[in-house]
Amino acid sequence: QPQAQESGPGLVKPSETLSLTCTVSGGSISDSNYYWAWIRQPPGMGLEWIGSVHYSGATACKPSLKGRVTISVETSKNQFSLRLAYVTAADTAVYYCVREKGGSSWADYLGQGTLVTVSS
Amino acid sequence: QSALTQPASVSGSPGQSITVSCTGTSSDVGAYNYISWYQQHPGKAPKLMIYDVSNRPSGVSNRFSGSKSDNTASLTISGLQAEDEADYYCISYTSSITYVFGTGTKVTVL
Repeated sequence: QPQAQESGPGLVKPSETLSLTCTVSGGSISDSNYYWAWIRQPPGMGLEWIGSVHYSGATACKPSLKGRVTISVETSKNQFSLRLAYVTAADTAVYYCVREKGGSSWADYLGQGTLVTVSS
Repeated sequence: QSALTQPASVSGSPGQSITVSCTGTSSDVGAYNYISWYQQHPGKAPKLMIYDVSNRPSGVSNRFSGSKSDNTASLTISGLQAEDEADYYCISYTSSITYVFGTGTKVTVL
């Protein structure tokens, strides 16, 4: 059962870039059967799928976030990352890193999530 | 890509059965059997309850079941228990090679 440690600033200023990294332990990020995703949840609101990356570098992203989102993988460090540019208060949320199984809707939330607040 | 539609709230008495619906389109729910349901208690990470429309992960009670008809997926909880009170979210794969969540449903045990 893989686990993950999310890292990154808990406070980001408006118009700046939010950067989070998910370091996976107990499993290889190079396992071709899985995709590595970011999901977020604003306080008191619902869940939102942001995007995912495969160890091969293939990515997918929610259409409304394209242009602001970069999701990448660093296999040598067994980690994947999220960068979200030009943030506003609407990007304040708990961000979860998730392991998704290819060819299935099975997914595994790797941690308890990390709160990122956008505020000056 | 709009969020899938779920009822805001569903309630039932202990022991009863309830059903939560999740309505999408022919580009998501209607097109694929990649539909999951999550349970989320306050302050906790979501927990996978059903995947691929009707499959239960190991350890999930068989009181939880899933189904799909056309553009609507459904989660049924039978023998409702106090511990089932939580928020429930559906999620579906889409033709854009992305996933989309439902709006979420608060289940209340009366």
